[in-house]
Amino acid sequence: DIQMTQSPPTLSASVGDRVTITCRASQSVSRWLAWYQQKPGKAPKLLIYEASSLQSGVPSRFSGSGSGTEFTLTISSLQPDDFATYYCQQYNSYFYSFGQGTKVEIK
Amino acid sequence: QVQLQESGPGLVKPSGTLSLTCVVSGDSISGNNWWSWVRQPPGKGLEWIGEIYHSGSTIYKPSLKSRITISIDEFKNQFSLQLSSATAADTAVYYCARGHGTYRRYYFDYWGQGTLVTVSS
Repeated sequence: DIQMTQSPPTLSASVGDRVTITCRASQSVSRWLAWYQQKPGKAPKLLIYEASSLQSGVPSRFSGSGSGTEFTLTISSLQPDDFATYYCQQYNSYFYSFGQGTKVEIK
Repeated sequence: QVQLQESGPGLVKPSGTLSLTCVVSGDSISGNNWWSWVRQPPGKGLEWIGEIYHSGSTIYKPSLKSRITISIDEFKNQFSLQLSSATAADTAVYYCARGHGTYRRYYFDYWGQGTLVTVSS
């Protein structure tokens, strides 16, 4: 199975900061990677698919990049609504797997 | 607008069977998507556990394969999860989700709100 590792586990940042989260796969997943945002008590929300494609309705301050085994999610200017936990997910091969999450906290 | 809604008992006894249903609205379950179950133990990360296509084809996480059954009811536009021999380790919020993408490569674009199932006597 493909293991997904996110870093950092927790990130403290201020409104307006540029934030980058990294996701590494234990083997190549090509560009078959998605990013989700989850707020407490809520379901995950799809932000990015195919490594860099922005889901409809998601603000353009979110962007994704990478291929193979290393990926990044960038928030260009952190907004109050962005404080949440972010997960990456590989869907290159069964069995789908998620990273352990990165919690973005208020600094 | 596509919506998914989970339902089922919130408490299951150890060694019992966890049973949940996900009703889909705004999309036909008979279309070109796969339908998944994802769970999240309290305070932990997300775990994909299995999926089904309207033909009845299923794919299960290997560690659960002996205990899990996912079924589909096209007439009711819903799909279901059964997890037998439940233990405390199965305590989690269970989400149903729509798998979207290309053949055998699906990300989850719509999710239910989730339902907490606790395994306890």
